[in-house]
Amino acid sequence: GQNIDQPTEMTATEGAIVQINCTYQTSGFNGLFWYQQHAGEAPTFLSYNVLDGLEEKGRFSSFLSRSKGYSYLLLKELQMKDSASYLCAPLDSNYQLIWGAGTKLIIKP
Amino acid sequence: NAGVTQTPKFRVLKTGQSMTLLCAQDMNHEYMYWYRQDPGMGLRLIHYSVGEGTTAKGEVPDGYNVSRLKKQNFLLGLESAAPSQTSVYFCASSFGQENQPQHFGDGTRLSIL
Repeated sequence: GQNIDQPTEMTATEGAIVQINCTYQTSGFNGLFWYQQHAGEAPTFLSYNVLDGLEEKGRFSSFLSRSKGYSYLLLKELQMKDSASYLCAPLDSNYQLIWGAGTKLIIKP
Repeated sequence: NAGVTQTPKFRVLKTGQSMTLLCAQDMNHEYMYWYRQDPGMGLRLIHYSVGEGTTAKGEVPDGYNVSRLKKQNFLLGLESAAPSQTSVYFCASSFGQENQPQHFGDGTRLSIL
């Protein structure tokens, strides 16, 4: 079957760095997306990885290891507005997104 | 800069009632999707469309129907609402299915009593 595993909740301090891990098992693989979702709002696109390695985009970076079925999202210089859920979503062989339940990130001052 | 617009934003129904959720996008996207999001679970795909006049079943299609008569609109229908369909419904659209991100509407919060 298809499965996504992310921590349910994480807590970090404003100004710090946090890494949100995601492991996945899918029928085929065509890349992996990360989305941010603030409470009561719609998911918004953060990053896409299809090749192994690190993709950097400002304060956010995303890493992929296809052989390990593993990705992480790295958030630097945390701000209070980064408090949100972060959704890991690999793309399977049918180009359907398989969504994890998300990691709720709580930022403390 | 509307993007993806969903109507209504909130609705309360009684068991057995029917309703239609409307999704409209102004980005000329080919692909459109309907998801439901329940606490503690990932987004689950209900139905999707790869272009005007086409629809396909997703992971949880039972109890729902869809139509895509115009490229910009994707309608989700509940013929006979059940309490198990209480959820937040999101519509999304994208240019393609490969490396193109999906853009989401603000959601419809639906309660079935």
